Order: sequence, then C-alpha cells, then structure tokens
Amino acid sequence: DGGITQSPKYLFRKEGQNVTLSCEQNLNHDAMYWYRQDPGQGLRLIYYSQIVNDFQKGDIAEGYSVSREKKESFPLTVTSAQKNPTAFYLCASTSTRVSTIYFGEGSWLTVV
Amino acid sequence: QKEVEQDPGPLSVPEGAIVSLNCTYSNSAFQYFMWYRQYSRKGPELLMYTYSSGNKEDGRFTAQVDKSSKYISLFIRDSQPSDSATYLCAMSDTGGFKTIFGAGTRLFVKA
Repeated sequence: DGGITQSPKYLFRKEGQNVTLSCEQNLNHDAMYWYRQDPGQGLRLIYYSQIVNDFQKGDIAEGYSVSREKKESFPLTVTSAQKNPTAFYLCASTSTRVSTIYFGEGSWLTVV
Repeated sequence: QKEVEQDPGPLSVPEGAIVSLNCTYSNSAFQYFMWYRQYSRKGPELLMYTYSSGNKEDGRFTAQVDKSSKYISLFIRDSQPSDSATYLCAMSDTGGFKTIFGAGTRLFVKA
C-alpha cells in the first residue's frame, strides 16, 4: 500500500542531544513537508521541499535541519538549539498536480 | 488576525445528531479547501477536498464552501461515536505548497 512512513513513533531524548526523525513515502510525490503540532494549536510548518536537493524554511525552522537526497526521503533533525522540542511531529507529502496533503502517522518526541 | 479561524470546541453531541463544523478565512486567493480528521495520537487523514465554491457530499459527510463569505463548513449526518476526533480545516492557493490549517475542533459523540 502507498503511504508515508514515519519512524520512530515514540522517542525520548536527553536535553542537548540531536535527534533525527525519519520520513519515507512511496506515493511518488514531489513535495514533502514537516509540521509540528502542539496541544491546542494548529499545524506549524517547519520545512518543506518541492524537489530533490532543495528545501525551504517554513514558519518555525529555527533549531531544525533537513535534507532531501532522495525523492522518497525527507529526514528531520531536531538539534540542541531547538528550545522547546517536545512535540508531535508530522511528515506530509503532496503531488504537484493536486493540492491535498497526505500525512504520516507522526512521531512523538519527548525531551527530558 | 489569523489567516484561518476555527472554533477549538470541544463540541459534544449525542449519537445521531447532525454536526456542523466551520472555519473562516481571510485570504481570498485560497482555491482549495480540505477537511481532515485526526484521532488521538494519529496523523490527520483527508476526509473531504473541494475546489473553489460549492458543495461536495461523501456518505454522511458534506463539505460546503462559500467564497463570497470566506466561510467553509463540514456537516456530519447521523453522527457516530467513531466520529469522535479532532477535525482540521485546511486551505491553499496553488500546488499545496502553502497550506494553512485551522487549529482544529474537538468533537465528542456520546453513545
């Protein structure tokens, strides 16, 4: 089945450590996104990529980094510079032909 | 002013009720309108997708877009406990590269 796979589902890290969240899609979508969701708040865009080897900052990119070396993969690194990293992280993708975004199941990151 | 406003609820209704969920927006360039359902600790799943104005029906769900009023609605008929979730409205202008989401409305359907 086609879809977006995020891993790990749950991740605990100590403060000051970098952590990388994986996102893989087999939908043949060109564009991929990372969102952050906090309780009671909407989705906030961290980074997005329209094509391989190119990506742009979203609204809350500080403390995060991404890469897009393959069309299918868009990993997100939460660095120690991110001041409040505990959140639910969602990866998404969309075809350039339609304007509907499809989401993965999300990754819960807890920093202690 | 936020680009998209959505009442966060929670909204609690008895089983079988008709539910109305709404969003308002300010950007007249939005052309694509979507509703997502998100269960607790899960990723959002696409429910309805509408281009420009008008109505779209899919089973118990009806999406309405009124571009003149910058107002979109999702109606759920014969609501079920399994409809209990957070519903997110979303909209974009072109290509989905800039999609704006509402904060989500939490819905509880009581058996």
